[in-house]
Amino acid sequence: AQKVTQAQTEISVVEKEDVTLDCVYETRDTTYYLFWYKQPPSGELVFLIRRNSFDEQNEISGRYSWNFQKSTSSFNFTITASQVVDSAVYFCALSSGNTPLVFGKGTRLSVIA
Amino acid sequence: DTGVSQDPRHKITKRGQNVTFRCDPISEHNRLYWYRQTLGQGPEFLTYFQNEAQLEKSRLLSDRFSAERPKGSFSTLEIQRTEQGDSAMYLCASSFSGRGYEQYFGPGTRLTVT
Repeated sequence: AQKVTQAQTEISVVEKEDVTLDCVYETRDTTYYLFWYKQPPSGELVFLIRRNSFDEQNEISGRYSWNFQKSTSSFNFTITASQVVDSAVYFCALSSGNTPLVFGKGTRLSVIA
Repeated sequence: DTGVSQDPRHKITKRGQNVTFRCDPISEHNRLYWYRQTLGQGPEFLTYFQNEAQLEKSRLLSDRFSAERPKGSFSTLEIQRTEQGDSAMYLCASSFSGRGYEQYFGPGTRLTVT
């Protein structure tokens, strides 16, 4: 069975602080895909990134960066110099390709001005 | 706007009534997914289509739930004899077929059963 755990239910930071959202996954498949989605207060899930299990290279996109470590089954997400607009619920998700996405319960991030 | 669209955005119904939701995927995508999201939880998979074929429906919550995609374009999700426990956000997503493609989500339909 596949499982995604986001242990942090809520995080609150002051604007311009860095923040890391944790994601730990479980799967028996050797080929799998990991995703992060953002759900702002408007409610629509916004795709942020996809990584496949064969590519452990970390990725940076502007203020966002992702750290994928197969050895610890983790796919953590860091926001550098957080802004109020980053306030949202962030979901980590897992798929083995042709299986549906399995989501974690999400981490609610509040960035305070 | 060429994203995933859903209609209606909000639906209030009385217990026992039937409701139907519509989803229009991104036109180039041949896969379409339905999820349900309750408060404080991540989306929970219900069913998906590749073109008009429904490839997985065992996760539909009960036999009161059904989905169709008759021409491989838009899809409908129907809930018969609604119950208060059906109150949730119903999300639709679409993607290309193949392994690991990201799914793009619509704005959702929020159902409230009174």
